[in-house]
Amino acid sequence: EAQVTQNPRYLITVTGKKLTVTCSQNMNHEYMSWYRQDPGLGLRQIYYSMNVEVTDKGDVPEGYKVSRKEKRNFPLILESPSPNQTSLYFCASSFDRVRNSPLHFGNGTRLTVT
Amino acid sequence: GENVEQHPSTLSVQEGDSAVIKCTYSDSASNYFPWYKQELGKGPQLIIDIRSNVGEKKDQRIAVTLNKTAKHFSLHITETQPEDSAVYFCAAMDTGRRALTFGSGTRLQVQP
Repeated sequence: EAQVTQNPRYLITVTGKKLTVTCSQNMNHEYMSWYRQDPGLGLRQIYYSMNVEVTDKGDVPEGYKVSRKEKRNFPLILESPSPNQTSLYFCASSFDRVRNSPLHFGNGTRLTVT
Repeated sequence: GENVEQHPSTLSVQEGDSAVIKCTYSDSASNYFPWYKQELGKGPQLIIDIRSNVGEKKDQRIAVTLNKTAKHFSLHITETQPEDSAVYFCAAMDTGRRALTFGSGTRLQVQP
């Protein structure tokens, strides 16, 4: 089944403790992206990647890192999480971004930073 | 960059009625406008999209209209059913960043 898989689904952590949220897609998509969803703000892009080893900042990149060493994986790294990063996070992928191909989303990771 | 505004934030309709969600965008060069449906505990899923060379697109009970002059587009759901209850997001392509900018979402509740 074609899908985007995120792990974990739920994560509670404390301020300053480094964490990684994994994302994997099995559709051979070139484009991958991370979003955060907050009430009343919709989905805001954190980082995106056009292909392996190519990443760029989205609208709200501060406090986050990403890497794209393999085509299928795009982990989101919070080096020193803070409470304002408490949010619902989504990974998404698409065939490419040039032709506006549809975005496929994972089921989300709910992060709480205390 | 692109700015997308979505209204209303919540919408309650009776089963069988129609629902309309409206969005406006700021980038006159935007050329792609998808709509996503998010069910509880899941990620958003594309339900319909429209490109700037088309004024209207329909897929069964769902239709989207686009007015490029006024820079607004709308989602129309006819004969609503309880399973249509979800959060709906509009989006527009930010041509500068080649990334989607999303609206703030509409929570649709269809009352049986």
